Amino acid sequence: DVKVTQSSRYLVKRTGEKVFLECVQDMDHENMFWYRQDPGLGLRLIYFSYDVKMKEKGDIPEGYSVSREKKERFSLILESASTNQTSMYLCASSQRQGTDTQYFGPGTRLTVL
Amino acid sequence: AQKVTQAQTEISVVEKEDVTLDCVYETRDTTYYLFWYKQPPSGELVFLIRRNSFDEQNEISGRYSWNFQKSTSSFNFTITASQVVDSAVYFCALNRPGRRALTFGSGTRLQVQP
Repeated sequence: DVKVTQSSRYLVKRTGEKVFLECVQDMDHENMFWYRQDPGLGLRLIYFSYDVKMKEKGDIPEGYSVSREKKERFSLILESASTNQTSMYLCASSQRQGTDTQYFGPGTRLTVL
Repeated sequence: AQKVTQAQTEISVVEKEDVTLDCVYETRDTTYYLFWYKQPPSGELVFLIRRNSFDEQNEISGRYSWNFQKSTSSFNFTITASQVVDSAVYFCALNRPGRRALTFGSGTRLQVQP
């Protein structure tokens, strides 16, 4: 079974803090993704990575950065958290092709006070 | 541009009723892939089905079935004899070759009452 894990289920941070969200997959997948989920807006792509050290911006990259130093690990970084970044963050991974099935982690619910 | 519309924001049914979740998509591509995911209260998105644009056969998996109609750009999902455990948010999504990220609909929340 594909397994995608995220470092925290719930996280509470203060405005201006630097926040790291980590994601690990165990299926040797090429692609990894970070999505943000907000009520009524569905899931929106923040960043994705198609190989180690390779990344591309998604639809809403502003205020975020990412890091992929190892194939199995993909980190989302909020350099200076703001209240409008309070959201559910979902990590996913897939094999090489863009149309391959994406498998999701359990999500991290981040609250920025 | 790709777009997925799930017009039903929330549906409530009583256990054992059949329920259909609608999904309408827009794309200019001839090759594309459609997906359904389930998100239970725990939050994790669970993959249900992947279908490519050249395969219009309906699919059945236990109580779940999917109706893909290219003529109406729809990929609807039916749960037969619904159960309380089916309560979740269901997302329809679309992708095409050359694009790595899924385009999601806004989701349909299904509540199954005992």
